[in-house]
Amino acid sequence: AAGVIQSPRHLIKEKRETATLKCYPIPRHDTVYWYQQGPGQDPQFLISFYEKMQSDKGSIPDRFSAQQFSDYHSELNMSSLELGDSALYFCASSPTPGTGGPVSYNEQFFGPGTRLTVL
Amino acid sequence: TQLLEQSPQFLSIQEGENLTVYCNSSSVFSSLQWYRQEPGEGPVLLVTVVTGGEVKKLKRLTFQFGDARKDSSLHITAAQTGDTGLYLCAGALTNFGNEKLTFGTGTRLTIIP
Repeated sequence: AAGVIQSPRHLIKEKRETATLKCYPIPRHDTVYWYQQGPGQDPQFLISFYEKMQSDKGSIPDRFSAQQFSDYHSELNMSSLELGDSALYFCASSPTPGTGGPVSYNEQFFGPGTRLTVL
Repeated sequence: TQLLEQSPQFLSIQEGENLTVYCNSSSVFSSLQWYRQEPGEGPVLLVTVVTGGEVKKLKRLTFQFGDARKDSSLHITAAQTGDTGLYLCAGALTNFGNEKLTFGTGTRLTIIP
């Protein structure tokens, strides 16, 4: 079965540079979520999109922005990178509520992640 | 403050033993999911529970959702080395769908051969 695809898998940047992370959700999933996981930490929600509109926003810095495109893929743009931005960034997708069966609510399927290292 | 607390934080046991991991909160969750995560990889969904008192079995893994939907447990029978990993519970407060997940603090499980 198709899974969530993220690219790149690894990214090394210098401080103050910019980075773009891409996420391709599972086919027919219209909701995309972005999470950040620091070393030894649990994933923290950043932002989500449903049908190309922002649906929720978490602890995402103003230096970061994201969008979802017409083909449902999403991109997370990160500017003025700081050392503290080094983390694993995960994208997750979920189907439209009710379309995946009675227990589809909030079931999110995660991609393999992008490891961002800021030097 | 962490909305979902997991215990224990670390657990190291011999292969063949049984273990239970707990996920507790003071909040009521509409649904709760358990994930397993390998180092450097994304969390893999194991199970979703939505009904208070619900019990789900996945081979040697048994998941239970508390009657009040504030807590959950994961029990592993006859642990195997392949069970090693980080176990995360994650909950959604509403059943509207498309809601962010709040993750637990995680339990890092090591099965010793």
